[in-house]
Amino acid sequence: NAGVTQTPKFRILKIGQSMTLQCTQDMNHNYMYWYRQDPGMGLKLIYYSVGAGITDKGEVPNGYNVSRSTTEDFPLRLELAAPSQTSVYFCASSYRTVPLNTEAFFGQGTRLTVV
Amino acid sequence: QQQVKQSPQSLIVQKGGISIINCAYENTAFDYFPWYQQFPGKGPALLIAIRPDVSEKKEGRFTISFNKSAKQFSLHIMDSQPGDSATYFCAASFGGYQKVTFGIGTKLQVIP
Repeated sequence: NAGVTQTPKFRILKIGQSMTLQCTQDMNHNYMYWYRQDPGMGLKLIYYSVGAGITDKGEVPNGYNVSRSTTEDFPLRLELAAPSQTSVYFCASSYRTVPLNTEAFFGQGTRLTVV
Repeated sequence: QQQVKQSPQSLIVQKGGISIINCAYENTAFDYFPWYQQFPGKGPALLIAIRPDVSEKKEGRFTISFNKSAKQFSLHIMDSQPGDSATYFCAASFGGYQKVTFGIGTKLQVIP
């Protein structure tokens, strides 16, 4: 199992450009998440999905969009890149169990710089 | 509003010493308290976790101490090693992982 795979690992964008961060998992997890990590700020949830076709906003969704057409893939879209979106982005997934499971498996991250 | 407060933000400990990271929470609905470990260039990974019905959980050199009345919990790393140098995040959740709130992280450096 590859786990959670993110691409690209690094990217430099110009202000106003758009891009999609890819995330795929091969663990058949039904829950998937996107976080951004900024120094001294911890991990902030951008969007999450509880299954194919279902997404919901997290703590910091502005400027981002997501879709979940399959169980495996959960891409994050930046439409008009802004310097404030310079960050490290992590995709994660988890499996719903009973009692409720709270372990998530993270990808290795995408370091995005907007200039 | 920071629901999980973590301190210190950085910590330097000598090899063999005890590393202690503290967290406090506000929401009494939280029912699961995991700690994640993150090495440079990697994503976080679950290290150890506790539920509020126990006061302590130990896994190897890592121990979580939990004080429900004070709404505080802490991570103790005994016999700290240079390989423990990483960023540690405390977290709290209720209703499953999608409700997790992370602390701001503690960068631990263990020096020889």
